[in-house]
Amino acid sequence: GAGVSQSPRYKVAKRGQDVALRCDPISGHVSLFWYQQALGQGPEFLTYFQNEAQLDKSGLPSDRFFAERPEGSVSTLKIQRTQQEDSAVYLCASSPRDSGSGEKLFFGSGTQLSVL
Amino acid sequence: AQSVTQLGSHVSVSEGALVLLRCNYSSSVPPYLFWYVQYPNQGLQLLLKYTTGATLVKGINGFEAEFKKSETSFHLTKPSAHMSDAAEYFCAVTRGSASKIIFGSGTRLSIRP
Repeated sequence: GAGVSQSPRYKVAKRGQDVALRCDPISGHVSLFWYQQALGQGPEFLTYFQNEAQLDKSGLPSDRFFAERPEGSVSTLKIQRTQQEDSAVYLCASSPRDSGSGEKLFFGSGTQLSVL
Repeated sequence: AQSVTQLGSHVSVSEGALVLLRCNYSSSVPPYLFWYVQYPNQGLQLLLKYTTGATLVKGINGFEAEFKKSETSFHLTKPSAHMSDAAEYFCAVTRGSASKIIFGSGTRLSIRP
């Protein structure tokens, strides 16, 4: 596709349920980021992949959060045993090269997760 | 550690007036700095970035920002506000290769007719 695609657009989960959020980056993009954006806040870094390698997962808030990018393209963010504080918009972004070099990020529209 | 601070969570200006959105950064190494804009129900888009070279950078839609190392600032300006500029603006910083990009908490810009 032309841009970064995230699915689902909206997800409602019951507390304790597991969820999986998908990100399809722009084809050929090397870098992929996941961010969590709470209402009225800036995006908070979760994790960063360069191809299939997860180079930084320091932002994952707990061991309930897990991300993978097994073939260096599509990525999945999984949240186990969801809690109400997990409610947020989860943003995925990709970049053609190493984003630390100043390359801009291309963002998806996000998945809005609501945990009831 | 790196961080950015955006002064003012909400800025309101009249149409045609100067826009000034403030951003200060903290970085132990020369930073790369960005401004992103988020329109309602849309993904973030890059407005402009500073990596090296000229400290005054121009972006899309008439916005520009100046990197001032002595003040650790990267304020965003636009000479004349337009109604279509109403959005959320985020300052961001990274330190270089294979580094995460850190965003500020955002400034909501409102334009008064």
